[in-house]
Amino acid sequence: GNSVTQMEGPVTLSEEAFLTINCTYTATGYPSLFWYVQYPGEGLQLLLKATKADDKGSNKGFEATYRKETTSFHLEKGSVQVSDSAVYFCALTHYGGSQGNLIFGKGTKLSVKP
Amino acid sequence: EAQVTQNPRYLITVTGKKLTVTCSQNMNHEYMSWYRQDPGLGLRQIYYSMNVEVTDKGDVPEGYKVSRKEKRNFPLILESPSPNQTSLYFCASSFGRNNSPLHFGNGTRLTVT
Repeated sequence: GNSVTQMEGPVTLSEEAFLTINCTYTATGYPSLFWYVQYPGEGLQLLLKATKADDKGSNKGFEATYRKETTSFHLEKGSVQVSDSAVYFCALTHYGGSQGNLIFGKGTKLSVKP
Repeated sequence: EAQVTQNPRYLITVTGKKLTVTCSQNMNHEYMSWYRQDPGLGLRQIYYSMNVEVTDKGDVPEGYKVSRKEKRNFPLILESPSPNQTSLYFCASSFGRNNSPLHFGNGTRLTVT
């Protein structure tokens, strides 16, 4: 079946460090891929998305490229800030479903130290 | 302000005492869904609804009920809560089309003793 695997955390970085959070997926058909972010005490928010192979999603300095050949959608940021501390979730749609029918990875907690 | 509102934010109850967690959205979204979030397990979908009077099971529906009598509301009902339903619950909504983002509520932390 469809699934998402992302690197386990927690990830601890110093401010201005480079961030990569790995995400790979298994899916039939042609899923859309997403990264959501959850700040402490809040619900999830869409961070970025990509809907087809080779698309690059970007937002707030974060980027991820939809790689069909490696079934990956790794999240990157060149210079993290303390305010980026949060839990990050990779997700995909069910084949043929709406974006609401998401499958989530287990989340990766990021802590950025000043 | 466009939002998904869940109530209550925190709830402590005892085994077997029926409870309802309410969810309301003001964005005229067709699609609504409930998730539970547990350490090490991520988010798992409980139930979802594609539109009024249309609901379907997600990955972990056992012990839960939902209803969708109006477009804006999607309550989650636990008829006889058990300790294994202690969790953080999120309601979410969207237009239900590809690429329309999911909007999440701020969560309800439920403890069943």
